[in-house]
Amino acid sequence: SAVISQKPSRDICQRGTSLTIQCQVDSQVTMMFWYRQQPGQSLTLIATANQGSEATYESGFVIDKFPISRPNLTFSTLTVSNMSPEDSSIYLCSGVGQANTGELFFGEGSRLTVL
Amino acid sequence: GENVEQHPSTLSVQEGDSAVIKCTYSDSASNYFPWYKQELGKRPQLIIDIRSNVGEKKDQRIAVTLNKTAKHFSLHITETQPEDSAVYFCAASIRGATNKLIFGTGTLLAVQP
Repeated sequence: SAVISQKPSRDICQRGTSLTIQCQVDSQVTMMFWYRQQPGQSLTLIATANQGSEATYESGFVIDKFPISRPNLTFSTLTVSNMSPEDSSIYLCSGVGQANTGELFFGEGSRLTVL
Repeated sequence: GENVEQHPSTLSVQEGDSAVIKCTYSDSASNYFPWYKQELGKRPQLIIDIRSNVGEKKDQRIAVTLNKTAKHFSLHITETQPEDSAVYFCAASIRGATNKLIFGTGTLLAVQP
């Protein structure tokens, strides 16, 4: 299994600012993904974080709004740019372990509130 | 792309009864179907999964069935207990390719003692 840590665990942000969420994995993962979970909703995939190259974004998500980095196999960041109240959500980092069984491990999530 | 539908959105059962949650998927290339349990304020955790070459899998009180032809799969929980109360998500992915999981809309299961 993989242990995934995220920080911050929560934050309150002002409209128009940007916040970067960091994700650290205790062991190498083959793939990393970022999800958004709005209150009471399902998990929506934002993008696949690709090591050393640009992330692959899902429909409805763009790099200018959600820039993602993954400089190595165990670390990734997600920035939420120019935030508005609609960005208030939980952002979850996840990874598929090296055993590549398909099991996706999640971080504890970063709860952002935008005022 | 893949689309996963899940129902019911809420399910209330008496302790000891069985619970069934159903999902359908759209992409016939999907070959991996996990179920996640998310307790309030916690991260989602895998409880059981099934691959497309298997029709049924069981782990103690939980089981999952898959019908590839109809593109649907179901979670079965028997002898429910209050600690089974949580939100359950089904998901689908193309394992070995993108590996990205697309989740269903979730089912809030309440087990009444």
